[in-house]
Amino acid sequence: KAGVTQTPRYLIKTRGQQVTLSCSPISGHRSVSWYQQTPGQGLQFLFEYFSETQRNKGNFPGRFSGRQFSNSRSEMNVSTLELGDSALYLCASSSQVDEQYFGPGTRLTVT
Amino acid sequence: GESVGLHLPTLSVQEGDNSIINCAYSNSASDYFIWYKQESGKGPQFIIDIRSNMDKRQGQRVTVLLNKTVKHLSLQIAATQPGDSAVYFCAENEAGGFKTIFGAGTRLFVKA
Repeated sequence: KAGVTQTPRYLIKTRGQQVTLSCSPISGHRSVSWYQQTPGQGLQFLFEYFSETQRNKGNFPGRFSGRQFSNSRSEMNVSTLELGDSALYLCASSSQVDEQYFGPGTRLTVT
Repeated sequence: GESVGLHLPTLSVQEGDNSIINCAYSNSASDYFIWYKQESGKGPQFIIDIRSNMDKRQGQRVTVLLNKTVKHLSLQIAATQPGDSAVYFCAENEAGGFKTIFGAGTRLFVKA
């Protein structure tokens, strides 16, 4: 069974731009969670989706948004990028929100 | 607010010794706890979990202990191997919260 895939793996953007990251969960998994990982703040929860519904979100500004499609694939969007948004963005899928399987992440660099 | 933290940010052990990684949590409503291992350049990998109705759970070479009285979680790795070198995160879920909170992480170095 294929694991969680994230695209792109690496991305360089300029301040003020917007970015969309994609996550394909493990087949059959309907829950997708997103996390931001930085050296200073560690792994921080962004949001969780299940069957196209956002069930919870973390303490991030409204510039961070996401969605989930009917095939459980998910995207997250960050608008008006800031330097502090540089991070590894991780996606995780699970059949429920318990044992999560993580993708390799998307490394976003904002210059 | 909710938080999950670690007592020791770095742990260095000799190959073959046992490792113990500790974690404190603050949310009394959390009912599910997980340990993840993250190697360089990879996403976190599930190691072992435990629910709040248990105080101990064993896997292959790993044991998780949960002390709800003092809100403490620990991961024990038996016969630590060089391949165990990684960053270890504890994490907690609140019942029905659909949200996982991660601790700061502990880097484990295994000396050959």
